[in-house]
Amino acid sequence: KNEVEQSPQNLTAQEGEFITINCSYSVGISALHWLQQHPGGGIVSLFMLSSGKKKHGRLIATINIQEKHSSLHITASHPRDSAVYICAVENGSNYQLIWGAGTKLIIKP
Amino acid sequence: DAGITQSPRHKVTETGTPVTLRCHQTENHRYMYWYRQDPGHGLRLIHYSYGVKDTDKGEVSDGYSVSRSKTEDFLLTLESATSSQTSVYFCAIRQGNYGYTFGSGTRLTVV
Repeated sequence: KNEVEQSPQNLTAQEGEFITINCSYSVGISALHWLQQHPGGGIVSLFMLSSGKKKHGRLIATINIQEKHSSLHITASHPRDSAVYICAVENGSNYQLIWGAGTKLIIKP
Repeated sequence: DAGITQSPRHKVTETGTPVTLRCHQTENHRYMYWYRQDPGHGLRLIHYSYGVKDTDKGEVSDGYSVSRSKTEDFLLTLESATSSQTSVYFCAIRQGNYGYTFGSGTRLTVV
């Protein structure tokens, strides 16, 4: 079993829909990260969480430390949100990351 | 945001030749990382550095070496490139409470 599990693996939705991507982890962590990668593109850090909730524009990220679970929400989704969203957790020394497999999101106009 | 640049952006090299990829940051962040990304494997850590001359291996370090002689530069060297090292290489820095910033990537093809 992977230490970081994301669901769903793939998600296709219509423009305007509310999107939720989930991340569960089985190890103790010091922080959880959400990142975004567009096809053929670079990797962008969206959020770093150690507790609670953060919001940036249409993106919201939450974490429940007790349940070892985090969610990334996108409100009013747009085709430009189409990308792979990756959850990663920091575990242990030197801030090394344990990566989820990613969720490929496609938003259709 | 910290500036981070990788060079070259693209490289084609022959099997058996040495190759060096460069990661440069414009600030003084302590932690720097080299990853490779391959289809079906996601990002895998090759080596990382926690200070000048302080480096350690990641999960896929065989065939790679690194050096960090000054804070701003982290070099990744493939001593003798093989076709299995064809990949996209990303450098990253950790910026305190802001998380990670990644370079734009280097697409390396070993023929």
